Amino acid sequence: DADVTQTPRNRITKTGKRIMLECSQTKGHDRMYWYRQDPGLGLRLIYYSFDVKDINKGEISDGYSVSRQAQAKFSLSLESAIPNQTALYFCATSQGGLYEQYFGPGTRLTVT
Amino acid sequence: EDKVVQSPLSLVVHEGDTVTLNCSYEVTNFRSLLWYKQEKKAPTFLFMLTSSGIEKKSGRLSSILDKKELFSILNITATQTGDSAVYLCAGDTNAGKSTFGDGTTLTVKP
Repeated sequence: DADVTQTPRNRITKTGKRIMLECSQTKGHDRMYWYRQDPGLGLRLIYYSFDVKDINKGEISDGYSVSRQAQAKFSLSLESAIPNQTALYFCATSQGGLYEQYFGPGTRLTVT
Repeated sequence: EDKVVQSPLSLVVHEGDTVTLNCSYEVTNFRSLLWYKQEKKAPTFLFMLTSSGIEKKSGRLSSILDKKELFSILNITATQTGDSAVYLCAGDTNAGKSTFGDGTTLTVKP
């Protein structure tokens, strides 16, 4: 089984709809991250969390919110989706004190 | 604002060639420089560099960091078609978050 899972893997939604992307991990890591990737671009950080009670904004948090329901679960919500939020979204985890991040398979979101 | 710039943006080579990918960074409270390989979907970790001048190697891939000049290079020797991917570098900070570059798309032709 994959260590970092994301659901759904693909989603098409309409402008104005609320949508939630979910991430679960079995690695036992304390840190979790949400990124978006647009074609030809790198990963941009949306939100990150170092433990259940710690939530931090990244460089592009406007229009997004998150919830850390448990150490293993980190959800990303788009309260009112807009077309320029069409992108590939990645969840990642890392262990505090260590450096590399482990990525989920990604969710391809299309907002029409 | 932290910034990571990679060059070239894309590169096409033939099998057996050697390639060098570049990454320059301006990252406040810099801790380490990381390289990832992204094939179809999720990036996978390649190297983490924290000290200047110490080369990290894994098979045909190697990487080195220059903390004075704020850059890193990733070398791939004897390239194979399986090396075709997007290579991402990221500057990691003491705060534990990373800033990624836009990546270099490497295409290796048979």
